[in-house]
Amino acid sequence: GAVVSQHPSWVICKSGTSVKIECRSLDFQATTMFWYRQFPKQSLMLMATSNEGSKATYEQGVEKDKFLINHASLTLSTLTVTSAHPEDSSFYICSARDLVQNTGELFFGEGSRLTVL
Amino acid sequence: KQEVTQIPAALSVPEGENLVLNCSFTDSAIYNLQWFRQDPGKGLTSLLLIQSSQREQTSGRLNASLDKSSGRSTLYIAASQPGDSATYLCAVISLYAGGTSYGKLTFGQGTILTVHP
Repeated sequence: GAVVSQHPSWVICKSGTSVKIECRSLDFQATTMFWYRQFPKQSLMLMATSNEGSKATYEQGVEKDKFLINHASLTLSTLTVTSAHPEDSSFYICSARDLVQNTGELFFGEGSRLTVL
Repeated sequence: KQEVTQIPAALSVPEGENLVLNCSFTDSAIYNLQWFRQDPGKGLTSLLLIQSSQREQTSGRLNASLDKSSGRSTLYIAASQPGDSATYLCAVISLYAGGTSYGKLTFGQGTILTVHP
């Protein structure tokens, strides 16, 4: 199956700093990628839809100035958590769909665990 | 608004048992339904994808069925093994007439499966 890679897999930062998480589709192109966050023992919640070459679409309640999304190419989307605070500590997962296969199947990265001290 | 419910929330079985995980969704206007597996602290692994026009999909010991009219899907695991222990997530991709949020994935809360030797 298609592979989606996330980096870093885990990061610890001080409160007030910004953290960038990368999501790459390794063997396919994706015009759309999705970013989710997952709190312990809870399911995934969609944060935003990342669109190549245009602005991301954010879900209700997600601060776009807090979570900056950039989708600069067909294989890379980045999520930057700006001025991170302890309540931003979470597991962030991205997903992407293979344009060529076009089955609608979504492939997920391994996730990035953010801990803000 | 699409809502996805999974029952049971947790399941503990002895090795070798056949088991069924249930997923229900409120809006039958779906593009497809996907079953995932998530190991603790890890990302999601896609298990089976069922297109809205399909009734079931099989992969090895896994069989997933879809009944759109009743808003239900089941994941059947035959001859369970300790290595099957994980959280199983069901997610539906909703039909969306255009717009950049096409294919939004809505997740259930998951079923935590424990298979003991």
